[in-house]
Amino acid sequence: DIQMTQSPSSLSASVGDSVTITCQASQDIKYYLNWYQQKPGKAPKLLISDASDLETGVPSRFSGSRSGTIFSFTISSLQPEDIATYYCQHYDNLPPTVTFGGGTKVEIK
Amino acid sequence: EVQLVQSGAEVKKPGESLRISCKGSGYSFSSYWVAWVRQMPGKGLEWLGIIYPADSDTKYSPVFQGQVTISADKSITTAYLQWSSLKASDTAIYYCARPRHNDLVTGFAYWGQGTVVTVSS
Repeated sequence: DIQMTQSPSSLSASVGDSVTITCQASQDIKYYLNWYQQKPGKAPKLLISDASDLETGVPSRFSGSRSGTIFSFTISSLQPEDIATYYCQHYDNLPPTVTFGGGTKVEIK
Repeated sequence: EVQLVQSGAEVKKPGESLRISCKGSGYSFSSYWVAWVRQMPGKGLEWLGIIYPADSDTKYSPVFQGQVTISADKSITTAYLQWSSLKASDTAIYYCARPRHNDLVTGFAYWGQGTVVTVSS
């Protein structure tokens, strides 16, 4: 089974800072990796699909990239409304499989 | 408008059975996979399994295989998650979710509001 190792588990940064979260897959998963934002008491929201495709309506300060089995998620200029927990998610279709990373809680310093 | 509306909160005792539901509307329910995701109190997201309503093809996470049953009734555009004998450790929020694209498991662009299940004696 593919494992997704997400780090850090939490981070604290100032408004305007750039923050980066990473997810490492235990084997090649091509670009089959999505990123979600979850605010307290709410369902997760899909922000980035297929490693780097920004969902419609998502601010451009959010971005994703891939280097081999390491995937990065960046908030270029942290805003107060970005306080949330972020999850990576691997998917496959043969057979249908979904794996979430452990999550990163982002707080304002 | 695509909507996934889940059934309401449940409070159950250990050993009891339970079925929660997720009703899809605003799209061709049969043509999109529906996944179930667990979130235990203060914890992360865990994938339980996924079903394709057109033919009820179902895949489970190895962790949850045998622990829950996923089903769907395409005639009433509803997916279900059920337990035959609940444990206290089943206490969690359960979400249903649908991928953006039909016939494929990709990013989950649509989510239900979540069903809180509390199991306590």
